[in-house]
Amino acid sequence: DTGVSQDPRHKITKRGQNVTFRCDPISEHNRLYWYRQTLGQGPEFLTYFQNEAQLEKSRLLSDRFSAERPKGSFSTLEIQRTEQGDSAMYLCASRLGATNEKLFFGSGTQLSVL
Amino acid sequence: TQLLEQSPQFLSIQEGENLTVYCNSSSVFSSLQWYRQEPGEGPVLLVTVVTGGEVKKLKRLTFQFGDARKDSSLHITAAQPGDTGLYLCAGRSGSARQLTFGSGTQLTVLP
Repeated sequence: DTGVSQDPRHKITKRGQNVTFRCDPISEHNRLYWYRQTLGQGPEFLTYFQNEAQLEKSRLLSDRFSAERPKGSFSTLEIQRTEQGDSAMYLCASRLGATNEKLFFGSGTQLSVL
Repeated sequence: TQLLEQSPQFLSIQEGENLTVYCNSSSVFSSLQWYRQEPGEGPVLLVTVVTGGEVKKLKRLTFQFGDARKDSSLHITAAQPGDTGLYLCAGRSGSARQLTFGSGTQLTVLP
């Protein structure tokens, strides 16, 4: 069990640029989640995959955000035309099966938009 | 929108003291979880409670789920500096696929 890994750990970008983050879940976990967390707040749900299918997207997720999980393994989250308000920690989490409640989080990608 | 309110928002205590933090909602949850998060890391699950009135103990930590499954508490006995962190509660209601998180309690235990 190597845990959930996220890359990069830190990203600094200029407003208007596109960024892409990667998440590698625990290998046998078929459920994958993306959350966003700002300082002093709890994580906010962004989107959820079961295998390769994106089953739910938060209303918080604007059209500039897109996520994929093409082979049901790793996932990417892309933000186009970044804005300063996108600055946050982007967390990926995975879990095994429908009845297993335990959610494993990665260490996150800290995005700073200048 | 389900909201989970946590209190207090900040708590600073001396090593050896006891403390309780609270998680409240107007919504009923089928399960509720507590996580601890350290700076620069993702949250780590401490416990899951599913039955109203349920009490679970994890060493010096005691978790309780309210009878109506709308609230929960975390009690720490004889706090240690290693308990320092952001404590988050998170609930899942009905058939929701995702967890809704509270805003957390930032605990600092001073040596």
